[in-house]
Amino acid sequence: QSALTQPASVSGSPGQSITISCTGTSSDVGGYNYVSWYQQHPGKAPKLMIYEVSNRPSGVPDRFSGSKSGNTASLTISGLQAEDEADYYCSSYTSSSTLYVFGTGTKVTVL
Amino acid sequence: QITLKESGPTLVKPTQTLTLTCTFSGFSLSTSGVGVGWIRQPPGKALEWLALIYWDDDKRYSPSLKSRLTITKDTSKNQVVLTMTNMDPVDTATYYCAHSTPVTPCFDYWGQGTLVTVSS
Repeated sequence: QSALTQPASVSGSPGQSITISCTGTSSDVGGYNYVSWYQQHPGKAPKLMIYEVSNRPSGVPDRFSGSKSGNTASLTISGLQAEDEADYYCSSYTSSSTLYVFGTGTKVTVL
Repeated sequence: QITLKESGPTLVKPTQTLTLTCTFSGFSLSTSGVGVGWIRQPPGKALEWLALIYWDDDKRYSPSLKSRLTITKDTSKNQVVLTMTNMDPVDTATYYCAHSTPVTPCFDYWGQGTLVTVSS
């Protein structure tokens, strides 16, 4: 089971919107609506930001949104803020014996 | 309030067995649907899922590491233990335990992580 593919880096200015893609296969991203996104600041544990493709846990700002089309999921951050600078990982439930697969990670830089 | 905390050695020698303990509070591992998983992250690299144990003692492992991993739970102590045999320098990583929700497959609460270095 290969890791999901994410761009290594994405950047934007404060107030702008950015989108991070997460590409998998029909056995994971494309086969289930069980894509989640995690935010990780340096030296910190990951934090769940999106689950089931587009649902936000309580306390996560609504400028974070998720979507999916085919085998690719996306995380959009609208109204980018300085505190959004972090690494972001997607994850998907998978039908293979792997059960869970994470993405390669994307570093978001706020210019 | 759900909290998890990993504990174990910070340094292990190659070929040794690593034993990590996840001690949690705020939930019970006897509640239907609940699970506790282990995820690791080598320095500067991506997250990698390792293993998961469910409330009913169902256990799942990463296929690439299955032969080296064992996950167990002690419900009375609110602990989950992960053992990894035949440690190698490439296993140097921060190891996290995390709560798996009974509602949907994802990890909604994470421990702070523990850095394990494999070196002679």
